[in-house]
Amino acid sequence: LAKTTQPISMDSYEGQEVNITCSHNNIATNDYITWYQQFPSQGPRFIIQGYKTKVTNEVASLFIPADRKSSTLSLPRVSLSDTAVYYCLVGDPPDFNKFYFGSGTKLNVKP
Amino acid sequence: DAMVIQNPRYQVTQFGKPVTLSCSQTLNHNVMYWYQQKSSQAPKLLFHYYDKDFNNEADTPDNFQSRRPNTSFCFLDIRSPGLGDAAMYLCATSRTRSDGSYNEQFFGPGTRLTVL
Repeated sequence: LAKTTQPISMDSYEGQEVNITCSHNNIATNDYITWYQQFPSQGPRFIIQGYKTKVTNEVASLFIPADRKSSTLSLPRVSLSDTAVYYCLVGDPPDFNKFYFGSGTKLNVKP
Repeated sequence: DAMVIQNPRYQVTQFGKPVTLSCSQTLNHNVMYWYQQKSSQAPKLLFHYYDKDFNNEADTPDNFQSRRPNTSFCFLDIRSPGLGDAAMYLCATSRTRSDGSYNEQFFGPGTRLTVL
């Protein structure tokens, strides 16, 4: 069972860059790393997915080192509306359609 | 817009009275999931369908059942709800890539179940 470890919570201020790191020491060769954002009383929302090196989209960047045992979600210039719980997920080989959420990181953005 | 729809958004039932939650999708994804999320906790996978194949998690109570009559719909049946089953129930979908890996999951808004 591939497990993920993240900080329980982080504080930031508006306009800052936030980096949230996730450890997944047992990640499988074929596995992707996916990050989700969840607001209270809503379903998780996909942020970004990657396999190796760096991936960037309109909301975030994902940095994955060569050994792939960790990943870092980077949120540029956060705002109050980025206050949410952030989860990183990896699959559960051999069934890569299964996912287990870790505890997530509660990001609190302050004015 | 293609999406995952869950009905109802809020469901109240009585202790021991069977309840069914529904999920539909317009994404034509082959995999559908049910998660349970209790207050201040992470979503917990209950089971998933890979096409028509049902995959139950080992620690999912027998009280929870699921049906997937076609690609678009999936149901969660709770046969005898207890107070501990009060939670948000999340439906999600994903599409398997040709290499067997997966695309990201798309989640519905959830159904909040209250057990009286």
